[in-house]
Order: sequence, then C-alpha cells, then structure tokens
Amino acid sequence: DAKTTQPTSMDCAEGRAANLPCNHSTISGNEYVYWYRQIHSQGPQYIIHGLKNNETNEMASLIITEDRKSSTLILPHATLRDTAVYYCIVRVASNAEKLTFGTGTRLTIIP
Amino acid sequence: SAVISQKPSRDICQRGTSLTIQCQVDSQVTMMFWYRQQPGQSLTLIATANQGSEATYESGFVIDKFPISRPNLTFSTLTVSNMSPEDSSIYLCSVEGRDGFYEQYFGPGTRLTVT
Repeated sequence: DAKTTQPTSMDCAEGRAANLPCNHSTISGNEYVYWYRQIHSQGPQYIIHGLKNNETNEMASLIITEDRKSSTLILPHATLRDTAVYYCIVRVASNAEKLTFGTGTRLTIIP
Repeated sequence: SAVISQKPSRDICQRGTSLTIQCQVDSQVTMMFWYRQQPGQSLTLIATANQGSEATYESGFVIDKFPISRPNLTFSTLTVSNMSPEDSSIYLCSVEGRDGFYEQYFGPGTRLTVT
C-alpha cells in the first residue's frame, strides 16, 4: 500500500518557487519524511528529510504540517536544472526499513 | 555524501548471457543496496548487501538470477544471469549516509539492454 500521494506532474516558471505537495495521512510517529529527486538519466539524489519540524538546507525547504499528515517541498528559486521526478518517501529512520519509491511528481521548469 | 561509481555505464547484451555490474564507493560503508528501474517505472529494491554476509533479497528476486558479491567495505557487484529482454533496465547501487539519518546516496546507474 502506498504511504504517500503526490500529484503526477507539475509545471513551474523558472526563477519562481516550486512547491511540491505530498500527502501522508497514515504516517506513524516514528516515521520521517524523505525527499529525493531523479534527473533524467541519473541516479536519484537525496534532497532533505524531516520528522516534525520544518527543515532547510542548501537545496530546499521542507514544510511539515502540525498533524504531520502532509508536507511540502519548496525549491525557492527554480532553475531549468531542477526539472526532475521528485519522490516523497515516508519511512522509519532505520537501516532495517527499506526505501520504497512511489511514482513521484514530474516537475517541469518552464523557461 | 558518498561518491559512487558504476561500471559499465551501459551495455547491450544478448539473451542467455550474463553481465556483472560493479559499484565502487569512495569511503567505507556497511550497507550497500541494489535497485532496478524498468523503463518508465520507479525504482525497486533488489537486495541489500552487507560486507561479510549473504545478501538479503526482496520478494521476487532470487540469488540464482541476481548473485551479489560484497568482498569489502567499498565495493560490490551485481550479476544479471541468463538475461532475457525483460531484464532490460537501469540497475543502480546505493549506500547509506553517515549522518545517522539513513538517507541513501545513489550511483549513476547501469543501463542494460538485452536483445
């Protein structure tokens, strides 16, 4: 059973903020939200993860709702190189829990 | 993050043959993972490889078809045996990060086409 729901595709204008939503209404208390992306013909790239607090790094920001049932990945100033499939994954932070990729959101940055 | 390389980057093979894919990491890691990505699909975990022990295979994947070696902490191989066109996929290895949050870092992948 899928733990997350993401839109199939989104477009965003270059230079604008790209906001990618993810629903994870059945998330457990010990499960983190991880985001990866896969640029065409490359291996997936880890972006960011969070438990309940908002997180920011050099790539993106992650906003998690207070009830933790949804989150949004924000790319603050999207560039053409951000065109990729973005995967939202919910899992326990443990090497016993495998990383399960869903279908993700295909984000296209429009010049 | 770790720097991961894979060889070959791509290959075209005939059915019935086998191909061994190499994965090299620039630092010592405990766990390495092998994934398959069929055309137009998402990634599927094949197996987890720990150094010094047998690989653990996911449902639908067997050792006879996908034997894995893990001779040391920086290297692993995946062999795709007795290939058929259905094995045409991208094969990726990954390793865990070292910050304790169990994120994974992926190699560039090996694009395999079986004719």
